[in-house]
Amino acid sequence: AQTVTQSQPEMSVQEAETVTLSCTYDTSESDYYLFWYKQPPSRQMILVIRQEAYKQQNATENRFSVNFQKAAKSFSLKISDSQLGDAAMYFCAYRSAQGGSEKLVFGKGTKLTVNP
Amino acid sequence: EAEVAQSPRYKITEKSQAVAFWCDPISGHATLYWYRQILGQGPELLVQFQDESVVDDSQLPKDRFSAERLKGVDSTLKIQPAELGDSAMYLCATQRRGTTDTQYFGPGTRLTVL
Repeated sequence: AQTVTQSQPEMSVQEAETVTLSCTYDTSESDYYLFWYKQPPSRQMILVIRQEAYKQQNATENRFSVNFQKAAKSFSLKISDSQLGDAAMYFCAYRSAQGGSEKLVFGKGTKLTVNP
Repeated sequence: EAEVAQSPRYKITEKSQAVAFWCDPISGHATLYWYRQILGQGPELLVQFQDESVVDDSQLPKDRFSAERLKGVDSTLKIQPAELGDSAMYLCATQRRGTTDTQYFGPGTRLTVL
C-alpha cells in the first residue's frame, strides 16, 4: 500500500518570504500522480498543484512550485512571496495511475502560519 | 463556478443514534468519493462510486456505515449506530470520469458524537 509522509506538522513564514513544505511517499508503482491540497480553516479543500510522475519537469502554478525527485520519492512544495491568505493546512496526496480505485492517499498535513 | 454541495455542515448527535450526510456533486461528475478526516490527520477514503456502482468500499465499516448513490447523482452516507470514535469531518469529493481529472471537494460535514 502507498503511504505519504509529511514530517513538518507546523511551519511559519513571514509575509513576502519563501517557504518549502516537505513530503515523501512510498510506492512500488512507476506511474502515479502527486498533489498538494490546501485546506483553509472552516473552508473546503482546494487543489494547489499537481504533478504527473512521468513528467520530469517540475510543475508550477504562479507562486507555487514543486521539487519532484522521483528516485528519492520526494515531492516538496515551495510557496514564494507568501501572502496572509496562504495560511492553511497543506496536504500532500498520492494517486495511482492504474485502473480501479482512484482514491487519494493523504499525508497528515502541515499547518502553515503566515506572519505579517 | 460549480461546487460540490454537502449538508448538513455540522451535526451533533448522541452515541447509538443514526445520522445521515448528503452530497450533491458537480454536474457531470461521474465519480464520487466519501472521505473521513479525523482531527489532525489527512482524509481517508471510505467509499468510491462510479456512477451508481461502488468501486471501492474496503475501508468502510460496513457493520455501521452505509452509502448509496441510487441514480448516479447525489449520494447519502449513513451511520447507524454512531459511536464516539466517529467524530470527524466527512468530506465528499467528485471528479469527471478518468484518472487524470482533479477531485473537487465539498465543504464537509463536521460530526460530533456525544
